[in-house]
Amino acid sequence: KAGVTQTPRYLIKTRGQQVTLSCSPISGHRSVSWYQQTPGQGLQFLFEYFSETQRNKGNFPGRFSGRQFSNSRSEMNVSTLELGDSALYLCASSLEVGGNTGELFFGEGSRLTVL
Amino acid sequence: AQSVTQLGSHVSVSEGALVLLRCNYSSSVPPYLFWYVQYPNQGLQLLLKYTSAATLVKGINGFEAEFKKSETSFHLTKPSAHMSDAAEYFCAVNTGGFKTIFGAGTRLFVKA
Repeated sequence: KAGVTQTPRYLIKTRGQQVTLSCSPISGHRSVSWYQQTPGQGLQFLFEYFSETQRNKGNFPGRFSGRQFSNSRSEMNVSTLELGDSALYLCASSLEVGGNTGELFFGEGSRLTVL
Repeated sequence: AQSVTQLGSHVSVSEGALVLLRCNYSSSVPPYLFWYVQYPNQGLQLLLKYTSAATLVKGINGFEAEFKKSETSFHLTKPSAHMSDAAEYFCAVNTGGFKTIFGAGTRLFVKA
């Protein structure tokens, strides 16, 4: 069974640009969560999607957005990139909504560098 | 609101010694608690989880954790550290909502 796949794995952007990251969950998983990981802040929750609906959102500015498609694949977008957006963006899928009684299955992440 | 505090951003042990990584949580309702491990340049992998069954939870790679409600703690232990245990460990909590909150992480160093 294939794991969670995130693309691209690495990317470099400049300030002011926008970026789109993709996540394909494990087959059959309908919940997808996104996290931002930085050395100073640890893992910060961005948002969670279930059946194409955003069920919860973290404390990030509106420049961060996401969506989920009918096949459960998810994308997140960051517009008007800032230097502080440099981070590892992790996607996790789960069978249950929010992984509340089950585990989160993580991808290897997309490492974004903003210059 | 739920939160997780991991005591010690770095822990160093000798190979063969006891590993103890501390985690305290805050939750207004019975929580689900997790420990994850992250190796360099990889995502997180579940070590073990507490979901209100037995308070002593056994996980992979010889790790276990004990849920203590009175102390709001969920510390992770392993009797004998191996070099391969060197990684970053995250405690996490979910109270049945739509998000899992992670602690800041503890980096474990294992000395030969």
